Amino acid sequence: DAKTTQPPSMDCAEGRAANLPCNHSTISGNEYVYWYRQIHSQGPQYIIHGLKNNETNEMASLIITEDRKSSTLILPHATLRDTAVYYCIVRGDAGGTSYGKLTFGQGTILTVHP
Amino acid sequence: GAVVSQHPSRVICKSGTSVKIECRSLDFQATTMFWYRQFPKQSLMLMATSNEGSKATYEQGVEKDKFLINHASLTLSTLTVTSAHPEDSSFYICSARTSGRHQFFGPGTRLTVL
Repeated sequence: DAKTTQPPSMDCAEGRAANLPCNHSTISGNEYVYWYRQIHSQGPQYIIHGLKNNETNEMASLIITEDRKSSTLILPHATLRDTAVYYCIVRGDAGGTSYGKLTFGQGTILTVHP
Repeated sequence: GAVVSQHPSRVICKSGTSVKIECRSLDFQATTMFWYRQFPKQSLMLMATSNEGSKATYEQGVEKDKFLINHASLTLSTLTVTSAHPEDSSFYICSARTSGRHQFFGPGTRLTVL
């Protein structure tokens, strides 16, 4: 699986949009970009994933560059409860039981302050 | 999203004893489950991948005789830490993958070995 690079930490004011970048310059054609977050002492929570098109759900938006070498997770209106470690993970999804594994990097510690 | 539970959430044991952690997918069948370990202020590290009805595949450096994994049904996987020692104290997190490729995580089990 391709490796990802994320800033170690970011701050965001409550109510503002949080834009979390991720570089995945070695991503291959069949690899998806996944975002998870982990609130302190809990298991990771799935946020969103995408292949090449931008994606949006009730939690966030995912913007993937045209060359797919980087992406940005957007939390449109950050709240204090969004304070967490955010992980960007690239994983191959070839189908069947031999899916790629989710390999976690260090992630970005997002702190939302009042 | 799909729900994955773990039991117990916390366990304290004496050095040399064995501890079993259960992971259940509550509302879906998981052909593949994963076990991760997370030390304080570190990221999740994949320990092993288990497919229902077959032997687990361990990551490099993980002792299969120390961390016994059983995946006897499509909704239950167990991790047994045998002859636990203080250095095994960690946060153990399981994850289950749905047929639709999504992977959901349990809330984690905090193991403390005295």
